Amino acid sequence: DAGITQSPRHKVTETGTPVTLRCHQTENHRYMYWYRQDPGHGLRLIHYSYGVKDTDKGEVSDGYSVSRSKTEDFLLTLESATSSQTSVYFCAITTGTSTPYQQYFGPGTRLTVT
Amino acid sequence: DAKTTQPNSMESNEEEPVHLPCNHSTISGTDYIHWYRQLPSQGPEYVIHGLTSNVNNRMASLAIAEDRKSSTLILHRATLRDAAVYYCILRDWAGNQFYFGTGTSLTVIP
Repeated sequence: DAGITQSPRHKVTETGTPVTLRCHQTENHRYMYWYRQDPGHGLRLIHYSYGVKDTDKGEVSDGYSVSRSKTEDFLLTLESATSSQTSVYFCAITTGTSTPYQQYFGPGTRLTVT
Repeated sequence: DAKTTQPNSMESNEEEPVHLPCNHSTISGTDYIHWYRQLPSQGPEYVIHGLTSNVNNRMASLAIAEDRKSSTLILHRATLRDAAVYYCILRDWAGNQFYFGTGTSLTVIP
């Protein structure tokens, strides 16, 4: 399962509060990703990282920031949560010894913004 | 990345073969075809990938059209555990971003 954990697994928060979700991996993979999944939209990429302190935006990055100060941790922050950010958030890594690489996903975090 | 088109839903009887289609008419020569599936309440998991030739693994088979504008994921004997959303994705050989569509929701009927 590529040793991916996400915390918290469930969170309810109020509009306007900051929220940080954590993705942790144990196998020193270089690439890490944050997706959100909403009914009717499938999975959409928020941000990804290609190394410590190296990150880039995905297709739905507005309202989100990320940080990666250690190889094993990739943090997703909602600076001021809004109801439209209610979603299930998945972290993923890519792995493999040759291209094309495969993605492995964490168990997900269900976030509700009231 | 080029886009893919899949039916929203399909049904299959248990223990029968299932053919899940995917159209990708704008595929480029360096795009690999990937399939992932997502079981209820879980993250997606890798199923299979290919470039030009048909591929087989322990989970499924991938049949790729000669012009590569379509592909079909084949589950040889559907089980209840195969009920999931199946995503067909194109990625450049060096690409590090995956673009998931809405996939095909497969229902397996006992």
